[in-house]
Amino acid sequence: EVQLVESGGGLVQPGGSLRLSCAASGFTLSHFEMNWVRQAPGKGLEWLSYISTRGTTIYYADSVRGRFTISRDDAKNSLYLQMDSLRVEDTAVYYCTRGARTMTSNAFNLWGQGTMVTVS
Amino acid sequence: DIQMTQSPSSLSASVGDRVSITCRASQNINFFLNWYQQKPGKAPHLLIYGTSSLHSGVPSRFSGSRSGTDFTLTISGLQREDFATYYCQQSYNNTYSFGQGTKLEIK
Repeated sequence: EVQLVESGGGLVQPGGSLRLSCAASGFTLSHFEMNWVRQAPGKGLEWLSYISTRGTTIYYADSVRGRFTISRDDAKNSLYLQMDSLRVEDTAVYYCTRGARTMTSNAFNLWGQGTMVTVS
Repeated sequence: DIQMTQSPSSLSASVGDRVSITCRASQNINFFLNWYQQKPGKAPHLLIYGTSSLHSGVPSRFSGSRSGTDFTLTISGLQREDFATYYCQQSYNNTYSFGQGTKLEIK
């Protein structure tokens, strides 16, 4: 089955760190661009970070730049998000997503089930 | 940064209705606009990419269109399973901003 499974969420104190993992199965992660998206309780979706194939290009949202680090290990078919200096406002469900890019489109065509991070 | 303004924030409709949700980009994003559906407690999933292309398995009652920087998601003949929250997303540059969401509720 083609799927993404996040793990690593939990309760952490403000200023603390957490590392999220996203395991890909049913497809070869190295072929795809990947992203992290989060959703605070009762709120909308917020894109956080992008990583290209081979990890050569990385982008961050202003809200997490300098605190969060995206990485990938294609040999392990896994994506990661290292989150440092966590704030109460980082409390959210965190999703990893697979990118699908063509000449005329670029969308997130596969999402994990999400992992909850609570900063309190 | 590109801002996406989605409207309405909520919408009440009946089964069988035709409804439209609009998303306006703060600048030209060409056809790089996607729509996602999210049901309570579930992850979002892709409905439409590149303004008007249906993702695999998405029913043909969903359609997307563009007029300049205004984009529209239309659902023709609402089904019970369509009551959910919908988000637009621009993918023109590498910040992938989302609209605020539209909650579609049963009247």
